[in-house]
Amino acid sequence: KQEVTQIPAALSVPEGENLVLNCSFTDSAIYNLQWFRQDPGKGLTSLLLIQSSQREQTSGRLNASLDKSSGRSTLYIAASQPGDSATYLCASLSYNTDKLIFGTGTRLQVFP
Amino acid sequence: ETGVTQSPTHLIKTRGQQVTLRCSSQSGHNTVSWYQQALGQGPQFIFQYYREEENGRGNFPPRFSGLQFPNYSSELNVNALELDDSALYLCASSLGAGPYNEQFFGPGTRLTVL
Repeated sequence: KQEVTQIPAALSVPEGENLVLNCSFTDSAIYNLQWFRQDPGKGLTSLLLIQSSQREQTSGRLNASLDKSSGRSTLYIAASQPGDSATYLCASLSYNTDKLIFGTGTRLQVFP
Repeated sequence: ETGVTQSPTHLIKTRGQQVTLRCSSQSGHNTVSWYQQALGQGPQFIFQYYREEENGRGNFPPRFSGLQFPNYSSELNVNALELDDSALYLCASSLGAGPYNEQFFGPGTRLTVL
């Protein structure tokens, strides 16, 4: 059974800091790993999707890496801004569970 | 290109009632998946519809049911509402059956059961 864990649960940083959000998963037979952003009470916005054959994906100030052997993915946010404040969710799709399994998210607050 | 839309935005029901939530898929997509997100939790997969048939289901009781229409829009129906059904309900559309096609999420419907 795939389990996805995100650490930390909450994070508060000053504007301009570089930060790393962590996601770990128990089933290494993953098809892909996806990072989402969710604003309070809103739907999910896909940020980055990493296929199992890839090691990382980049979009603007965001970089996500994937290490299947250790069961970990990280989301790196460079030069954080107040507009980055949101909850960040990772989701794993594995061949064994055949459905997206989400972590509980990291709630990020970036203050000016 | 039209994104995924959901209605209503918010809904308040009482325990024991029935509710119907609606989802219109993104233009060109033929598959809809539904998720339940309780407060402070990640979304949990309820089921998926492809070509008007249920195509995969998570650990939800039969009182959670769905429909998909020829235009690929979808409904989620929940009977005999319980307090624990209070959650944000998300739908996601994709092109093709199964979980391996990228899913695009709608804004959600917030259901409160009193």
